[in-house]
Amino acid sequence: EPEVTQTPSHQVTQMGQEVILRCVPISNHLYFYWYRQILGQKVEFLVSFYNNEISEKSEIFDDQFSVERPDGSNFTLKIRSTKLEDSAMYFCASSEIANSPLHFGNGTRLTVT
Amino acid sequence: GESVGLHLPTLSVQEGDNSIINCAYSNSASDYFIWYKQESGKGPQFIIDIRSNMDKRQGQRVTVLLNKTVKHLSLQIAATQPGDSAVYFCAEISGGYNKLIFGAGTRLAVHP
Repeated sequence: EPEVTQTPSHQVTQMGQEVILRCVPISNHLYFYWYRQILGQKVEFLVSFYNNEISEKSEIFDDQFSVERPDGSNFTLKIRSTKLEDSAMYFCASSEIANSPLHFGNGTRLTVT
Repeated sequence: GESVGLHLPTLSVQEGDNSIINCAYSNSASDYFIWYKQESGKGPQFIIDIRSNMDKRQGQRVTVLLNKTVKHLSLQIAATQPGDSAVYFCAEISGGYNKLIFGAGTRLAVHP
C-alpha cells in the first residue's frame, strides 16, 4: 500500500539554525499538509498546500515557516530560525481529493537545543 | 469557534470486551469526520470516516456513530485486542480545503 515517507526520522539542531524537513507524499495525491505534535499533546494543523500554493495556514505557521514542493515528488517544511518551542514531532500528510482521508507519515522528531 | 474534544482521556478495557470512545464537536458546519489511531512513535493511522449525511458506518470490528443533533461522535471497537492499545483521535473537516482539526485524544489500554 502506498505510504507517506518522511526524512529524517530525528533531527537535532541548535536554536537559531535552519532546518528542512522532507516528505514524499503519496504519488497521486493532490493535497499536502504539515502538522505538528508537541509531546503528549494533540496533533495541530500547520499548513495545507494545493495547486502549488498554500491554501490555508494556522497561527503557528508564522514567517519563520515555509513550505515548498520543489519537484513532482517532494514536499518540504523549512523553519528558518528554530526556537526551543519548535521541538515537536512534525507530520506530513497527503490526501487524494478534498474531503477525503489524510494519510500521515511517521513523522520527524525535531529537537532544538 | 471550532473545537473538537473528547470526554475521557483514558479508557481501560479487558481483552475481548467492546470499547466505546466518545468525542464532542462544536462546529455544526463540519461535514466530514475521521477517527485516527496513533501508536507510540508513529503517525496517525486512518481507521474509519463518516460524512454528515450519515449517522452510522461500519468497518472491520469498528463502527462510527454520528449524532448531529448533539454534535457527538463515537467509535466502537468490537472484541478489543491488545493490538488496539493506542491513542485514538477524532478529527473534523469543514470547508473546502480539507483542513483537518484533531481532538485531544483518548488513550485506550487493553488488559489481558
